[in-house]
Amino acid sequence: SYVLAQPPSVSVAPGETARITCGGNNIASKSVHWYQLRPGQAPVLVISYDSGRPSGIPERFSGSNSGNTAALTITRVEAGDEADYYCQVWDSSIDRIFGGGTKLTVL
Amino acid sequence: QLQLQESGPGLVKPSETLSLTCTVSGVSISSSTSYWAWIRLPPGKGLEWIGNIYYTGGTAYNPSLKSRVTISVDRSKNQFSLSLNSVTAADTALYYCATIEDAMRSTSPIDSWGQGTLVTVSS
Repeated sequence: SYVLAQPPSVSVAPGETARITCGGNNIASKSVHWYQLRPGQAPVLVISYDSGRPSGIPERFSGSNSGNTAALTITRVEAGDEADYYCQVWDSSIDRIFGGGTKLTVL
Repeated sequence: QLQLQESGPGLVKPSETLSLTCTVSGVSISSSTSYWAWIRLPPGKGLEWIGNIYYTGGTAYNPSLKSRVTISVDRSKNQFSLSLNSVTAADTALYYCATIEDAMRSTSPIDSWGQGTLVTVSS
């Protein structure tokens, strides 16, 4: 079945740029979505269809997808961005597949 | 505004059946073109897709759980439910209900989620 690989953790200082990657075989041929998970809160869709930003998501959040790597980029990182981030695609083997998740730490 | 709220026992004994309900508010399950889904997050692990149901009753399940899972819908109560039988400690997780608003595209994202409910499998 299709596998999505994410780094377990990414650390960044406030105001800097965070880039979280999601690797998969020819992932560029798939639509990638990104979710933000904070403890005690409902997960939030932050990027849809590779680079779309749902209503209410700040412009600081952007996405890209090329070759074997998709990425979520957060510019001007704030303390409130600290969370776990998951990428997700659809695959005929399982339906919706998630990456292993990346913990974003704001130093 | 669409809201999803999970409910059910927080503790289930091994070999028994885990049963959860998701109450939907702000939209009618019957009139929606959405899929209604269950996803879980085991402690220290990543998200796992469990399955989804359409308001007509059509379902799709993760092959790894298919033999133990049933998702159903109660249109009169605007709720959908998850049943997972023969549970073990490996089924301990935070269980989320969610919705996929565009059921016409298999590649569509998961648009809205509940806050999740923790279920522990232990004797």
